[in-house]
Amino acid sequence: GENVEQHPSTLSVQEGDSAVIKCTYSDSASNYFPWYKQELGKRPQLIIDIRSNVGEKKDQRIAVTLNKTAKHFSLHITETQPEDSAVYFCAASKGPGADYKLSFGAGTTVTVRA
Amino acid sequence: EPEVTQTPSHQVTQMGQEVILRCVPISNHLYFYWYRQILGQKVEFLVSFYNNEISEKSEIFDDQFSVERPDGSNFTLKIRSTKLEDSAMYFCASSGGYAPQHFGDGTRLSIL
Repeated sequence: GENVEQHPSTLSVQEGDSAVIKCTYSDSASNYFPWYKQELGKRPQLIIDIRSNVGEKKDQRIAVTLNKTAKHFSLHITETQPEDSAVYFCAASKGPGADYKLSFGAGTTVTVRA
Repeated sequence: EPEVTQTPSHQVTQMGQEVILRCVPISNHLYFYWYRQILGQKVEFLVSFYNNEISEKSEIFDDQFSVERPDGSNFTLKIRSTKLEDSAMYFCASSGGYAPQHFGDGTRLSIL
């Protein structure tokens, strides 16, 4: 089955700096890679996703890059703000929804220092 | 914005007892999932459900687990005889076809 590795497990950044979280996956059949943000006591919320026919996707301060050859994908948060503090999970799947299970990374706890 | 809702938020149960976790998926969604997260570990897939039957289940989802969609709105996870190692946060998710999965807030299950 799919195995997703995520690094680092914790990340502390100064407000305004950038944060980068990296994930690797093992199953070459995976072609959908969402990122979820989970604040303490709240649900995982989808923040951005990327499909394998795209190398990069950006949404305001958040971007995701995908290297299918190397089987890795990364989340980039620029100009970090205190409200970006949360646990971030990467995941991999054979597709969005439609009976395709998500295989998650272990999560990265991001702390933005004011 | 429509949300997946889960009840209860916290369930405390004696080992060996049956427990039912409840979920109300987003109303027009067709695909339903259960995941769990043991404290300090990654989120793990348990089961997916479509068209009133299980589509896929993980090794974790053994004979002690079952899922049901008893009516048009609820989706339940039952654990027949709970074990200490079943203590975890259980997340329900739903999807409307070729679209991302939306998660509920989870049920924290504590087995004593």
